[in-house]
Amino acid sequence: AQSVSQHNHHVILSEAASLELGCNYSYGGTVNLFWYVQYPGQHLQLLLKYFSGDPLVKGIKGFEAEFIKSKFSFNLRKPSVQWSDTAEYFCAVNAPTGRRALTFGSGTRLQVQP
Amino acid sequence: DAMVIQNPRYQVTQFGKPVTLSCSQTLNHNVMYWYQQKSSQAPKLLFHYYDKDFNNEADTPDNFQSRRPNTSFCFLDIRSPGLGDAAMYLCATSNDRGLRQETQYFGPGTRLLVL
Repeated sequence: AQSVSQHNHHVILSEAASLELGCNYSYGGTVNLFWYVQYPGQHLQLLLKYFSGDPLVKGIKGFEAEFIKSKFSFNLRKPSVQWSDTAEYFCAVNAPTGRRALTFGSGTRLQVQP
Repeated sequence: DAMVIQNPRYQVTQFGKPVTLSCSQTLNHNVMYWYQQKSSQAPKLLFHYYDKDFNNEADTPDNFQSRRPNTSFCFLDIRSPGLGDAAMYLCATSNDRGLRQETQYFGPGTRLLVL
């Protein structure tokens, strides 16, 4: 079975600080990897995804993530956060074929202080 | 804009009173999903429809049912809501025309309160 761990439950940063949110997954086969963001009062939105190819993927709003297969990790990064990045961030994984469930991590609540 | 729409956004029901949540999509995606998200927890898949084929997760309670009358609409029926069913219910869609699974797009959710 797949599982996803997000070790940072609540992160507080000042504007312009750099961000890295950890995500580790447990699955023996090929995976699709996702980061979703949920702004206060809004729905889950796709931030970026990795299916194959270049392990460094760029998403919307200046976010990027790096897939490191040997570490089963897919950490999210942003060099300089803004107050508008305050949100909950979910890492998720599914298998390219087979069972169609997204397995989500427990989420990281990011609070950016102006 | 193409999107996933959920109605209502907030639903209050009484303990044991059946309730139906609605999801519609204008994306023409063939797969529709229902997730349950309890407070401070990750979304958890209840079931999904691949075209007309219903796929239930093994640990989804029998109390939860779903209907998909056509491509655009999918309903979540909770036959006898309990206090533990209070949660945010998320609908998602994806366009999986081949074997490969594609990105899932989420609606805004319906927050269910059980009194």
